[in-house]
Amino acid sequence: EVQLVESGGGLVQPGGSLRLSCAASGFTFSTYNMNWVRQAPGKGLEWVSFISGSTGTIYYADSVKGRFTISRDDAKSSLYLQMNSLRADDTAVYYCARGPTGSGFFDYWGQGTLVTVS
Amino acid sequence: EIVLTQSPDFQSVTPKEKVTITCRASQSIGNNLHWYQQKPDQSPKLLIKYASQSFSGVPSRFTGSGSGTDFTLTINSLEAEDAATYYCHQSSSFPFTFGPGTKVDIK
Repeated sequence: EVQLVESGGGLVQPGGSLRLSCAASGFTFSTYNMNWVRQAPGKGLEWVSFISGSTGTIYYADSVKGRFTISRDDAKSSLYLQMNSLRADDTAVYYCARGPTGSGFFDYWGQGTLVTVS
Repeated sequence: EIVLTQSPDFQSVTPKEKVTITCRASQSIGNNLHWYQQKPDQSPKLLIKYASQSFSGVPSRFTGSGSGTDFTLTINSLEAEDAATYYCHQSSSFPFTFGPGTKVDIK
């Protein structure tokens, strides 16, 4: 069974940092693309970042570029999001989402972790 | 950046009724359009990939169509458990983007 479990969320002051983790199980992690998607309270979905499973290609939304860093550790089947210079508008539930290699859709999502910047 | 618009924003529907949600892209995205369902306090779930391909385990009443800039998600014979917000998502180019969502409520 595919499982994605996020952790690391919490309350942080503006300008602070936080590192999110996503522990994956039930599939060969290294062969999948991974993404972070966030959802501000009562709002819609916003894609944040992508990292490919093969070449390590990385993309970011403009809203987080230069402040957030995505990474992965295939040996640990884990995805990370280092968030620096946090702002109030970064407050959201952060989901990790899996994408099959060569595709663009997200077939499995974690339950999310809440980041509050205040 | 490719902008996705959805209509309607909200729809209140009677069980067994048919629901049609549209998603329009600001430029042609081929069939790189996917649909998700998000119920309250749950994470999103994939319904349709590449405009018209049903994801494994999704009930057959959910169908998708379209290509280029105009796409449609149809729910045939709505059931009470389909109360949710529905989002379209394009993967034609980075940055990936989502539509603003369509909330479907059951009368």
